[in-house]
Amino acid sequence: QVTLKESGPGMLQPSQTLSLTCTFSGTSLSTSNMGLSWLRQPSGKGLEWLASIWNNDNYYNPSLRSRLTISKETSKNQVLLKFTSMEPADTATYYCAWRARGTSWFAYWGQGTLVTVSS
Amino acid sequence: DVLMTQTPVSLPVSLGGQVSISCRSSQSLVHSDGNTYLHWYLQKPGQSPQLLIYRVSNRFSGVPDRFSGSGSGTDFTLKISRVEPEDLGVYYCLQSTHFPPTFGGGTKLELK
Repeated sequence: QVTLKESGPGMLQPSQTLSLTCTFSGTSLSTSNMGLSWLRQPSGKGLEWLASIWNNDNYYNPSLRSRLTISKETSKNQVLLKFTSMEPADTATYYCAWRARGTSWFAYWGQGTLVTVSS
Repeated sequence: DVLMTQTPVSLPVSLGGQVSISCRSSQSLVHSDGNTYLHWYLQKPGQSPQLLIYRVSNRFSGVPDRFSGSGSGTDFTLKISRVEPEDLGVYYCLQSTHFPPTFGGGTKLELK
């Protein structure tokens, strides 16, 4: 069973950089049989895919590409996301999600971490 | 980006009843490999989304057979029969045929 947990700062000010960590168990990035993604959901609104990491390949939502960096720390079973120039409109719950190799759907999700951008 | 349109936005239901949710895409979701990558999720209140159906009609592990998916091309449907209290929440469709993956706006299933 794959489990994921997101962690982040909770609140940050406009223009700051958001750093998020997804810590997972039940699988390993080193086995190359899975990928991890970041998605977000503003309160009461829909879901938006942000970025994914497969082995050594990274993929980004083109509309946010310039602001996002996804990376991994394989030995720690962690995937990281950096999101620059945060604005109040970026206030949302941020999720990490897992998908198996050869699939393109997000099978398991973390509980999410709420990020509020406010001065 | 592929636009995913779900209808209705809100869907009142009686326990034990049957409902259908529609999801339409702005482009065909048939991939060049012949598969159609349309999936369904349920987000219960205060929880993260959970996968129900993948590739149009395949139930994910542990999903009861009260849930069924169908459709092709640009037009897809999720049917829920014998609705139970734990089925209430917001349903989302997701397409991953085209890059970037995009979600529908959601359909809220609530009690009449």
